[in-house]
Amino acid sequence: AQSVTQLDSHVSVSEGTPVLLRCNYSSSYSPSLFWYVQHPNKGLQLLLKYTSAATLVKGINGFEAEFKKSETSFHLTKPSAHMSDAAEYFCVVTSNQAGTALIFGKGTTLSVSS
Amino acid sequence: AAGVIQSPRHLIKEKRETATLKCYPIPRHDTVYWYQQGPGQDPQFLISFYEKMQSDKGSIPDRFSAQQFSDYHSELNMSSLELGDSALYFCASSLGEGRRRNTEAFFGQGTRLTVV
Repeated sequence: AQSVTQLDSHVSVSEGTPVLLRCNYSSSYSPSLFWYVQHPNKGLQLLLKYTSAATLVKGINGFEAEFKKSETSFHLTKPSAHMSDAAEYFCVVTSNQAGTALIFGKGTTLSVSS
Repeated sequence: AAGVIQSPRHLIKEKRETATLKCYPIPRHDTVYWYQQGPGQDPQFLISFYEKMQSDKGSIPDRFSAQQFSDYHSELNMSSLELGDSALYFCASSLGEGRRRNTEAFFGQGTRLTVV
């Protein structure tokens, strides 16, 4: 079984400062891991994915995440926050078998102030 | 590029009525997922299909059923609606690649169901 824990329900940063959104996972199998972003009243957009290739994954809009098996973590980072980054971020884990459920974390709300 | 299409976008139903939500996956995608997202909640997995067969099942109530058709579109049927069923229902699709790998899922814009 898979599960994911997002360690912060709310993160607040100033524009231009680094962003760190933390995610720990649990999986019985080699997992696939994703970060999705959801802007208010919008659908879910894929930011980046890890599927057993490179452990440092680069995504869209300057985001990246590092898969650390020893720490069972997949934290999302961005060097410099932008106002448009304010949104809800979900860490997602799934097994490698096609069609199995993508399990969402509870989400982290990112606020960016000017 | 074509995305996942859900219809309708908004739906208002009364208690005890039925509702049918439709999902059209990205062309050539063979896997469909259904999720329910309540206000301020994370998406909860309901059910998934791979190659027109149920692949995985989550917290889908017995009052709900779903299927994937020969053209790979999927429908979520909801009966005896309750106030608590009011939520945003997302459909997602992915390419299963012969069940060897669970690739990323692409989500539709969702159907907002309001039960009154």
